[in-house]
Formats: sequence, C-alpha cells, structure tokens
Amino acid sequence: EAQVTQNPRYLITVTGKKLTVTCSQNMNHEYMSWYRQDPGLGLRQIYYSMNVEVTDKGDVPEGYKVSRKEKRNFPLILESPSPNQTSLYFCASSLSMRRFPGEDGNQPQHFGDGTRLSIL
Amino acid sequence: AQKVTQAQTEISVVEKEDVTLDCVYETRDTTYYLFWYKQPPSGELVFLIRRNSFDEQNEISGRYSWNFQKSTSSFNFTITASQVVDSAVYFCALSQGNTGFQKLVFGTGTRLLVSP
Repeated sequence: EAQVTQNPRYLITVTGKKLTVTCSQNMNHEYMSWYRQDPGLGLRQIYYSMNVEVTDKGDVPEGYKVSRKEKRNFPLILESPSPNQTSLYFCASSLSMRRFPGEDGNQPQHFGDGTRLSIL
Repeated sequence: AQKVTQAQTEISVVEKEDVTLDCVYETRDTTYYLFWYKQPPSGELVFLIRRNSFDEQNEISGRYSWNFQKSTSSFNFTITASQVVDSAVYFCALSQGNTGFQKLVFGTGTRLLVSP
C-alpha cells in the first residue's frame, strides 16, 4: 500500500530535549516536505527536499533541521525544542513539485497521518 | 505574494443541505495549480482535487463539484446533499513559483459541521 509513515504519532516532551520525527514514503517520490498545522494558521511549510541531499527552507524553518540521505526518508529534527513548537506536524511526498514547460508538475502531495508534539 | 483566503472559518448545515466552501487566491504567476484537501476528525489529510490555471472547466465528482473562475480568482467547492461524513476541515491550497520548484501555500481552512 502506497503511504507516507510518520513516527511517533504523539509525543509529549520537555523543553530542550532533542527529538526526531521520522518520515518514510514507499512511492519512490522525489519531493518531500514538512508542514506544521496550528489553529487559525492552516498548514505552513517548514522544510522541503527535491531529492536526495537537496533540501531547502520553507516558510517557518527556525528551530528545525532536516536531512535527506535516502530517497524514502526525510526526518525532522528539533535540536532544542521549545513550547512554541507544540503543534501538529505533517510529512508529505509527491512525484514531483517541479514545473518546466510542457511538464505536468505539481503532482498532489500525499500526507502522513500527522504527529502531535507537545513541548512542555 | 501568493496567498489563499478561506474566509469561512466554520459552517454548520443540516444533512442533505447543499453547502459551498469559498476559496480566493492571489498570485502573480500565469501558471499555477489549485488544490483542495479534506481533514476529517481523525486528522489525516486527504487529497480531493487538483486544477491547473489553464483549465477553467468545472468538475463534478459524485456529490462534490468545483467552480474555478480566474476572473474572480476563486476556486469554490460545493457539496450537494451533504452527509454527516462530510464533517471535516477543508483546505484550499495554491502552488506557488513561476519556474522550477513549486510549493504549496494553504488557506486557513473551513470547518464544516454536518448535523443529522
């Protein structure tokens, strides 16, 4: 079954304790991305990756790190979590988000089930 | 700047009523894509539709229909004969960027409550 898998689904932790949220997709997608969802703000992009070893900042990258050593995995790292990072996090992947003339880009992103993080 | 506005924060209807969720977008791109996603109470995000800026044809899928109007920069979503299972938060999104990499900009979502 084609899917994006995030772990953990729920986590309560304390300020300053490093944590990693894993994301894995089995669809051989090039593009992967992390979003956070907060009430009244919708989803905002944290980081994205166009392919292995290619990552870039989204709209709200502060306090987060990512890596893309393998095509299927895109972990989100919070080196020193703070309470303002309490949120619902989604990982997403798609075949491509690139657009060139004649190419049917912007394939729909497939989302994981979300990770609810609470930083105390 | 690219922006998506979903002015309706929450809509409540009774089962079998029709309901329209509004989405207004802003972009300087001539080529762009619009999306709708559904987030049911269980929390996952479900892709509903993708539409590119060159295709203004309305689309119908069962009880769902979408009305794309470039003249008003709107991409509205109508549910006909709503059902309790339609209760969810619905997000409209716009792909931004003129060349090369694209990314999604989401609206703030509209919560739809369908009561029996």
